[in-house]
Amino acid sequence: DIVMTQSPLSLPVTPGEPASISCRSSQSLLHSNGYYYLNWYLLQPGKPPQFLIYLGSNRASGVPDRFSGSGSGTDFTLKISRVEAEDVGVYYCMQALQTPLTFGGGTKVEIK
Amino acid sequence: QVQLQESGPGLVKPSETLSLTCTVSGGSTGNYHFTWIRQPPGKGLEWIGYIHSSGSTNYNPSLKSRVTISVDTSKNQFSLKLNSVTAADTAMYYCARGTYYDPKNWGQGTLVTVSS
Repeated sequence: DIVMTQSPLSLPVTPGEPASISCRSSQSLLHSNGYYYLNWYLLQPGKPPQFLIYLGSNRASGVPDRFSGSGSGTDFTLKISRVEAEDVGVYYCMQALQTPLTFGGGTKVEIK
Repeated sequence: QVQLQESGPGLVKPSETLSLTCTVSGGSTGNYHFTWIRQPPGKGLEWIGYIHSSGSTNYNPSLKSRVTISVDTSKNQFSLKLNSVTAADTAMYYCARGTYYDPKNWGQGTLVTVSS
């Protein structure tokens, strides 16, 4: 199985400031079609998990443009350009290159 | 806007079968992959498996011997059965719709507790 490792575990942020979450995979997530099969999700209590980023860097429909995904090979990053209070929750990366699909351990973003 | 809703018993006895249904509203079940994912309390997310609307399935090897996912496109529903459950199967269970590589629309989740 592909192992996904996220850091940090917890990320206290100040509203209006940027935030960055790292996700590393145990092997390259590059598909033969040239895309990286890496997604990002946000889980918040009482809400359905939100799909943020797919194929490494593509924002899902309706996702604010303050969210961006980047990376290549085994190293990926989710950035929030200016954190808002509504962004608190636990962020997960997920690889979809191989089954079983696997997730990172999560990064809890909270307001300072 | 498509919405998914999980339903089923919140309490299952050890050694019995966990059965959940996911109802899709505001969208079709044609030509999509339907995925089940779970999260034990205090732990991370675990992919259980998916079924395509055509009926083809792919399961997590760690659960494969106990899992069955099925789809009923006429009812806009898909289902999860997990047999011989133990306390380790206690988790929030989520259903999702999308492609196999990007399950994009998720339900809110349903908590299933395995206990006698």
